[in-house]
Amino acid sequence: NAGVMQNPRHLVRRRGQEARLRCSPMKGHSHVYWYRQLPEEGLKFMVYLQKENIIDESGMPKERFSAEFPKEGPSILRIQQVVRGDSAAYFCASSPAAKSNTEAFFGQGTRLTVV
Amino acid sequence: TQLLEQSPQFLSIQEGENLTVYCNSSSVFSSLQWYRQEPGEGPVLLVTVVTGGEVKKLKRLTFQFGDARKDSSLHITAAQPGDTGLYLCAGAGGLRAGNNRKLIWGLGTSLAVNP
Repeated sequence: NAGVMQNPRHLVRRRGQEARLRCSPMKGHSHVYWYRQLPEEGLKFMVYLQKENIIDESGMPKERFSAEFPKEGPSILRIQQVVRGDSAAYFCASSPAAKSNTEAFFGQGTRLTVV
Repeated sequence: TQLLEQSPQFLSIQEGENLTVYCNSSSVFSSLQWYRQEPGEGPVLLVTVVTGGEVKKLKRLTFQFGDARKDSSLHITAAQPGDTGLYLCAGAGGLRAGNNRKLIWGLGTSLAVNP
């Protein structure tokens, strides 16, 4: 049973370009969570999605960032017109349910560098 | 805003020593999780504590949740080089569906165990 798969592992973008980060949850998991990790700030919640629905996007910046989890295919975190401040490690986690204390499994992350 | 403070920030010890790291907050959490993260990887869940005063053991690791569910500690007995990594605590604040995944994260304790 493959774990949470994120790709690419490393992504370099020039300022103004778009970044697309993909996350394939574990088999049987219908809940996906995206986090951003900065060295001095730790992990920050961004968005929580179920299939075809955004449940909680309170951690998403209001502009340039969007996320989706279509019925078929991976979850996508999209960053438009990237800026240097978007450089960070982006982690995806998945779980089979959102009940309290359900274990969430993390992917290896995508390290975005904006040059 | 709920904050989790972890201490110490850095810890370097010799193989065989014991250590305790702390995770403190002024807020009450419905549950608290401990993760270990290695460089270039995503966090891996070690344990979830739910009940105030709860103690859980995982081989040489002992986790305790404070009586008031505001703080937690992780004690490692006879540390080994394989214990090296970043230890993160994360608190879940609410009981509404999805809130348990809107985790509040500490910045972590970076542990180095020298052979």
